[in-house]
Formats: sequence, structure tokens, C-alpha cells
Amino acid sequence: DGGITQSPKYLFRKEGQNVTLSCEQNLNHDAMYWYRQDPGQGLRLIYYSQIVNDFQKGDIAEGYSVSREKKESFPLTVTSAQKNPTAFYLCASSLTPGTTEQYFGPGTRLTVT
Amino acid sequence: DQQVKQNSPSLSVQEGRISILNCDYTNSMFDYFLWYKKYPAEGPTFLISISSIKDKNEDGRFTVFLNKSAKHLSLHIVPSQPGDSAVYFCAASPTQGGSEKLVFGKGTKLTVNP
Repeated sequence: DGGITQSPKYLFRKEGQNVTLSCEQNLNHDAMYWYRQDPGQGLRLIYYSQIVNDFQKGDIAEGYSVSREKKESFPLTVTSAQKNPTAFYLCASSLTPGTTEQYFGPGTRLTVT
Repeated sequence: DQQVKQNSPSLSVQEGRISILNCDYTNSMFDYFLWYKKYPAEGPTFLISISSIKDKNEDGRFTVFLNKSAKHLSLHIVPSQPGDSAVYFCAASPTQGGSEKLVFGKGTKLTVNP
């Protein structure tokens, strides 16, 4: 049963703390992506990775960091430098960097107070 | 500057009728377009796509129309069903086979009333 998993579904943190969101895929996809969704907004790209050990900044990378040590995993760290971290975070993957269709995980709702 | 625009935040239709969701884009380099459907607190799911070499693509109840000269595409759902109630995102890419990232619109919330 292939797919993308994100954990946890809901995450609560105090302001000033770093937090890492998990994203795992068993689709054997090369490319992975992190998006952020805010109410009434579209999906905005934070970071993406086309291959293991390589990643690029998206449109709103400030205050975030990622790693891609394994093909299956692409964790996102929301650092204390992110000014408005409360949002719905979505991880996605695509078969290759050249495949436009992306498959999304169920998302993580992060609330920072 | 929004490159992909969905100007209607919401749309309400009766079950069995046609739903038409619209999307406009400004970047003439976009030549591959996708529609995603999203339920609350879930990730988007791919619905249908169209390449700029076509002006229509159909998949069951879903049809996407592309008007390149107007930089406009639309998603038609016929007949609409209550289970179609969701947020629909339009997305665009400069190439189908390249590594360019997708650009998403803000979404249109469709409500299909029984």
C-alpha cells in the first residue's frame, strides 16, 4: 500500500522552539516537496528536492530547513526564525523531477503559541 | 504577483447540475496545467491535467478546457455530486517534462447541494 505519510497530524509548539515535521514516501519517487497552506491561500513551495542529498529553496524558504539523506524521507524543520509558523504543511512527491504530477501526503497542522 | 488566479473563492451548485471552475494565468511560458481536489485537513489529490497542445481533456465527469489565447482554463464537472464538495486548485508548470515547480492558484471552494 504505497503512499506518503506525514506525522503527526496535529502538532503544537511554543514560540521559540524548533520543530521537525516528518514526511516519508514508499512510492520510490525521486522528487519531494514541502508546501505551506494558509487560510484562503494557495499552496506555496517551501523547499524541494530532486534527488538524495540535494535540495533547493522554494518561494518561501526563510525560517525553514530540510534534509534529504534518504530517498524515502524529506523532513522539514520549522525554526524559531520563521515569523508565522502556524499553518497547514503538505509534503508531496513526484516520480522524477520531470514529472509534473505530484502526490500529496495528508498534511500536518502546526500551531505555535 | 499571482501567476495563477482563481478569482472565485467559492461556488455553490445543485446536485446534478454542471459545475464550472475557472482559472486564469499570466505567464505565457506555462504549458501544462493541472487540477487538484482537496478535502479539509487532507492533502490535495490529482484530478486531471491538460497540455497546451490540446484544448480539451476529458475524464469521466471531469473535463478541462484550455484557451491559450485568453490564458484561461476551466474545469467542468457534469453532473455534480455532493461528494464533489471540496476546494479545487488550479496549478501550472512551464513544462511537462522539465523540473520546474508547480505554481498553484488560491483555490475555489465548491459546494454541491443535494
